[in-house]
Amino acid sequence: GAVVSQHPSRVICKSGTSVKIECRSLDFQATTMFWYRQFPKKSLMLMATSNEGSKATYEQGVEKDKFLINHASLTLSTLTVTSAHPEDSSFYICSASRQGASEAFFGQGTRLTVV
Amino acid sequence: AQSVAQPEDQVNVAEGNPLTVKCTYSVSGNPYLFWYVQYPNRGLQFLLKYITGDNLVKGSYGFEAEFNKSQTSFHLKKPSALVSDSALYFCAVRDRGSGNTGKLIFGQGTTLQVKP
Repeated sequence: GAVVSQHPSRVICKSGTSVKIECRSLDFQATTMFWYRQFPKKSLMLMATSNEGSKATYEQGVEKDKFLINHASLTLSTLTVTSAHPEDSSFYICSASRQGASEAFFGQGTRLTVV
Repeated sequence: AQSVAQPEDQVNVAEGNPLTVKCTYSVSGNPYLFWYVQYPNRGLQFLLKYITGDNLVKGSYGFEAEFNKSQTSFHLKKPSALVSDSALYFCAVRDRGSGNTGKLIFGQGTTLQVKP
């Protein structure tokens, strides 16, 4: 199946700093990628839809100025958590689908801990 | 509103026994249906999907799922569980007309615990 790579897998940052998470589609081009947040033993909460070459579409309740999404190429989307606080600590996952495919493929996830 | 329900937070089964993880959905039209598995601190792995055709779909690692249109269900099954199947399982749907850019709607997840 298609490969989606997410980096870093774990990051610890100080409160008030910003953290960037990368999501790459390794063997296909993805015009659309999705960013999710997952709390412990809970389902995935869709944060935003990342569109190549245009602005991301954010879900209701997600602060677009806090969670900056950039989809500068057909194989890379980035999520930047700005001015991170301990409540932003979570597991963040991205996904993408190959053109013509119905299923989505997911990155390995990023465990963010803000101290 | 469109939704996916996994009524069981946890399913416990003994190794070698059959397992079923339930999923029902409330979505307009005829959506694509999926099952994903998640191991601790990892992303989701695709298991199987229903697009059209035979109601019994076979997927990875010996898993299968049965699509029932009248009951709007898509239960995940495996004839003989392994301890290594212990993980978090998600049912998901996607609107058929949205192509590869459509959102997935996820169930709450079911933890499968297989005991030796």
